[in-house]
Amino acid sequence: DVKVTQSSRYLVKRTGEKVFLECVQDMDHENMFWYRQDPGLGLRLIYFSYDVKMKEKGDIPEGYSVSREKKERFSLILESASTNQTSMYLCASRNSGQGARLAFFGQGTRLTVV
Amino acid sequence: AQTVTQSQPEMSVQEAETVTLSCTYDTSESDYYLFWYKQPPSRQMILVIRQEAYKQQNATENRFSVNFQKAAKSFSLKISDSQLGDAAMYFCAYGTYAGGTSYGKLTFGQGTILTVHP
Repeated sequence: DVKVTQSSRYLVKRTGEKVFLECVQDMDHENMFWYRQDPGLGLRLIYFSYDVKMKEKGDIPEGYSVSREKKERFSLILESASTNQTSMYLCASRNSGQGARLAFFGQGTRLTVV
Repeated sequence: AQTVTQSQPEMSVQEAETVTLSCTYDTSESDYYLFWYKQPPSRQMILVIRQEAYKQQNATENRFSVNFQKAAKSFSLKISDSQLGDAAMYFCAYGTYAGGTSYGKLTFGQGTILTVHP
């Protein structure tokens, strides 16, 4: 059974803290994604990675960075957390090539910044 | 850039009835995928159904079917014989082919909350 695992389901952090959200997939997928989910806005792409150490900005990268040192792990970093980063964060992975129809998602991390 | 629009923030249906969720999208590409995902309170995104743009035949999965109108850029989801377990947030998503420079990004709509009344 394929799996994308996010390290925390719930997280509470203080303003100004550095926050790490971790995501691990066991499917040997090349592509990994971080989305943010907010009511009325759907899921918006923050960053994605298509290979180890490679990354691309998504639609809303401001205030975030990412790290991909190993193929199976993709980390989202909030350098200095702010209250407007309170949200649900979803990680996804997907293989490459035209046969790769499906994306697989983690269970989400609900982050609250106080 | 691609955009996906779900114009129905909320929908409701009686158990055993049929409901249709709307989705429109905008793209200049000719080859792509379209998806409907379900997100129950557990937050796990579950793939409901997918459609490849080059296929003219509408996809079906048991009680779920789509009406794919490529020229109109419309992709609606029909749920027949609705069940209480269908209650969830539903997202329409556009997916590029996973090769090339897009790397298989998904663009999501705003979501539609579906309530099923017993």
